[in-house]
Amino acid sequence: GAVVSQHPSRVICKSGTSVKIECRSLDFQATTMFWYRQFPKQSLMLMATSNEGSKATYEQGVEKDKFLINHASLTLSTLTVTSAHPEDSSFYICSARVAGAGEQFFGPGTRLTVL
Amino acid sequence: GENVEQHPSTLSVQEGDSAVIKCTYSDSASNYFPWYKQELGKRPQLIIDIRSNVGEKKDQRIAVTLNKTAKHFSLHITETQPEDSAVYFCAASISNDMRFGAGTRLTVKP
Repeated sequence: GAVVSQHPSRVICKSGTSVKIECRSLDFQATTMFWYRQFPKQSLMLMATSNEGSKATYEQGVEKDKFLINHASLTLSTLTVTSAHPEDSSFYICSARVAGAGEQFFGPGTRLTVL
Repeated sequence: GENVEQHPSTLSVQEGDSAVIKCTYSDSASNYFPWYKQELGKRPQLIIDIRSNVGEKKDQRIAVTLNKTAKHFSLHITETQPEDSAVYFCAASISNDMRFGAGTRLTVKP
């Protein structure tokens, strides 16, 4: 199946700093990538949909100025959590969709801890 | 928008028994229904999926059924094994919009 990588796998930062998470599709071109947040023992909550070369579409309640998404190429999307606060601590997972197909392939996730 | 409900939230079965997880969706336009298995701290892994033009699909011990009229779909795992223990998520999708159920924590007791 298609492979999606995510970096870093874990990050600990101080409150007020910014953190960038990268999501890469390794063996296919992903016109669309998705960013999810997952709190402990909860489901995956879609944050935004990222299309290559255009602005991301954010879900209701997700601040676009706080969670900056850039999808500059068909294999890379980045999520930057700006001015992180402890409540932003979570498991962030990206996924990528093969063009024309329904299935999404998930990255391994990034565990963000904000002190 | 699409709303997906999943039941039960937890399920405990004895090894060798069957496990059934059920989901309902709200948007009749949804046409793709995947099931994911997620182990603790790891990525969700696609285990089976079904499209709206099919009523049932089977892959070894795993099967999924879809009732479009009632807008519900189910995951069936037969001959469960301890390694089946994980959280299972259903999802319903239209184009780029995929919504997940709340998840079912399955425990298979040896």
